[in-house]
Amino acid sequence: QVQLQQWGAGLLKPSETLSLTCAVSGGSFSGYYWSWIRQPPGEGLEWIGEINHSGSTNYNPSLKSRVTISVDTSKNRFSLKLNSVTAADTAVYYCARGYRPRVAATIWFDPWGQGTLVTVSS
Amino acid sequence: DIQMTQSPSSLSASVGDRVTITCRASQTISSYLNWYQQKPGKAPELLIYTASSLQGGVPSRFSGSGSGTDFTLTIGSLQPEDFATYYCQQSYRTPLTFGQGTRLEVK
Repeated sequence: QVQLQQWGAGLLKPSETLSLTCAVSGGSFSGYYWSWIRQPPGEGLEWIGEINHSGSTNYNPSLKSRVTISVDTSKNRFSLKLNSVTAADTAVYYCARGYRPRVAATIWFDPWGQGTLVTVSS
Repeated sequence: DIQMTQSPSSLSASVGDRVTITCRASQTISSYLNWYQQKPGKAPELLIYTASSLQGGVPSRFSGSGSGTDFTLTIGSLQPEDFATYYCQQSYRTPLTFGQGTRLEVK
């Protein structure tokens, strides 16, 4: 059974860099798209971006200028960096496994990590 | 971006009720629509993918339908563990986008 375990700093000051890592265990790392999704307190979900095992990335244009997603296939991990954070970046950040079937240009997320609350405050 | 609009935003129901939640896309997304359930303090969990396919381990009282721009999630007979927030998500085009959520509460 695949499990995603994530960690990273939970309290940042404005202008700092958010850094989170997600480790994948219990299943294959290749063949999937590894995503980051965030949820501001009391709000809905926002897709941040994804990476595959080859390092090919795709980002949400609304965050693209500040986001980097990277992968370490030797450790079955992937990471998120978000530069120049502001209070608007306060959210629970989730990592998730994205599955894209070969026969259709679609993707769904299962499973998800446990979530990390990141608070940006001076 | 493709906008996803769910209705209602909140819903009160009782155990045993049949409940339907609607999700509308701002443009056609074929059947590339997924549904998730989220309980307080927990990560979302996949219920249904490609509009009508039930994820493994999900009870058969959950069903999905629709194509194009209009989709529905139906819970056939509400159980106590079903009170949660439900989100739709389109995967037709990036950026991937979610509905604002439907909170299902106990009447």
